[in-house]
Amino acid sequence: NAGVMQNPRHLVRRRGQEARLRCSPMKGHSHVYWYRQLPEEGLKFMVYLQKENIIDESGMPKERFSAEFPKEGPSILRIQQVVRGDSAAYFCASSPSGYPYEQYFGPGTRLTVT
Amino acid sequence: AQSVAQPEDQVNVAEGNPLTVKCTYSVSGNPYLFWYVQYPNRGLQFLLKYITGDNLVKGSYGFEAEFNKSQTSFHLKKPSALVSDSALYFCAVLNDYKLSFGAGTTVTVRA
Repeated sequence: NAGVMQNPRHLVRRRGQEARLRCSPMKGHSHVYWYRQLPEEGLKFMVYLQKENIIDESGMPKERFSAEFPKEGPSILRIQQVVRGDSAAYFCASSPSGYPYEQYFGPGTRLTVT
Repeated sequence: AQSVAQPEDQVNVAEGNPLTVKCTYSVSGNPYLFWYVQYPNRGLQFLLKYITGDNLVKGSYGFEAEFNKSQTSFHLKKPSALVSDSALYFCAVLNDYKLSFGAGTTVTVRA
């Protein structure tokens, strides 16, 4: 049973470009979460999605960031016009139900903005 | 808001000795608590969770954790540490469906 898959594992973008991070949840899981790990801020929740629905995006920056989980295909975290401060590790997690099951994490995408 | 704290940035132990990683929580109501481990350049791996029931929870790789309501603690333990246990450990609490993590504790097990 494959775990949570994320790609790319490493992504380098110049300032002003767009970054697209993809996440495929574990088989049978319909709940997806995105977290960001910054060196000085630790691991923080960004957004919680179910198929075709954003349930909670309270941790997402107000501008430039968006997320989706379409009916078919992976969940996508999109960052427009990236800045150096967006450099971080972005982790996707999934669970079979929102509460109170444990969340299983993918290997992460390490975004570097030059 | 519910939160956890990990009072130690680093824990150093010799291989074969007991390992304890501390976590305290601040919640209203019944807490749902988790431990995760992160190896360098890897994602987080789930170790164990406390939802309800026995205060001693057994998890993966020989780890266990004790839920202590009076001390609001959920310390992670392993009776005999291995060099391969060297990693970054996170305690977390479930806020509705969102995990709130502690700052993490770096564990180093020396041979």
